[in-house]
Amino acid sequence: GAVVSQHPSWVICKSGTSVKIECRSLDFQATTMFWYRQFPKQSLMLMATSNEGSKATYEQGVEKDKFLINHASLTLSTLTVTSAHPEDSSFYICSASWGGRGSTDTQYFGPGTRLTVL
Amino acid sequence: GENVEQHPSTLSVQEGDSAVIKCTYSDSASNYFPWYKQELGKRPQLIIDIRSNVGEKKDQRIAVTLNKTAKHFSLHITETQPEDSAVYFCAASDSWGKLQFGAGTQVVVTP
Repeated sequence: GAVVSQHPSWVICKSGTSVKIECRSLDFQATTMFWYRQFPKQSLMLMATSNEGSKATYEQGVEKDKFLINHASLTLSTLTVTSAHPEDSSFYICSASWGGRGSTDTQYFGPGTRLTVL
Repeated sequence: GENVEQHPSTLSVQEGDSAVIKCTYSDSASNYFPWYKQELGKRPQLIIDIRSNVGEKKDQRIAVTLNKTAKHFSLHITETQPEDSAVYFCAASDSWGKLQFGAGTQVVVTP
């Protein structure tokens, strides 16, 4: 149980274009989903927290107008990288938890999306 | 906010030996401490976690200890095998349920 999928697994795009990444919880309802970014040989850095039906909460330094997050249902959250630039190239990973805001329920991670911006 | 420090950054062990990774955290309100294993290019996999109401938890060859007074927790892997080679991350959950990760430990188990 507790399977999280992500799509696409990798994407290459041109500078200035937008890319959408989907995160789905396949066998449970995810009240909360988290989006992380991981650069090579570095740790996971939390970008934002999204709760179903409400606006995402962004971490300090993360531009909310550049990284658009939508959590329209209990099984789907999307991250759109707008006007992507080469410095946005990274491994984007989502996680899902059935707990609500403030809960310390286990987070289950998706397989990640490798974004390369040319 | 929460700050998690993890040591060592790399750890080489002979197959069959034990491996220990240590983490410290800053927020005394943190009450959930998971450990994740990540292989290259793959997702982090939860291997064990501990909550603040217990001091130790064990699952086969893996154990975690927590000292809330000192604000540190450790991962112990016994009888290491080559398939244990990976990057291991500790994390601490803040009062909002958000995880703050340590920098990671690259574990290499040599046959």
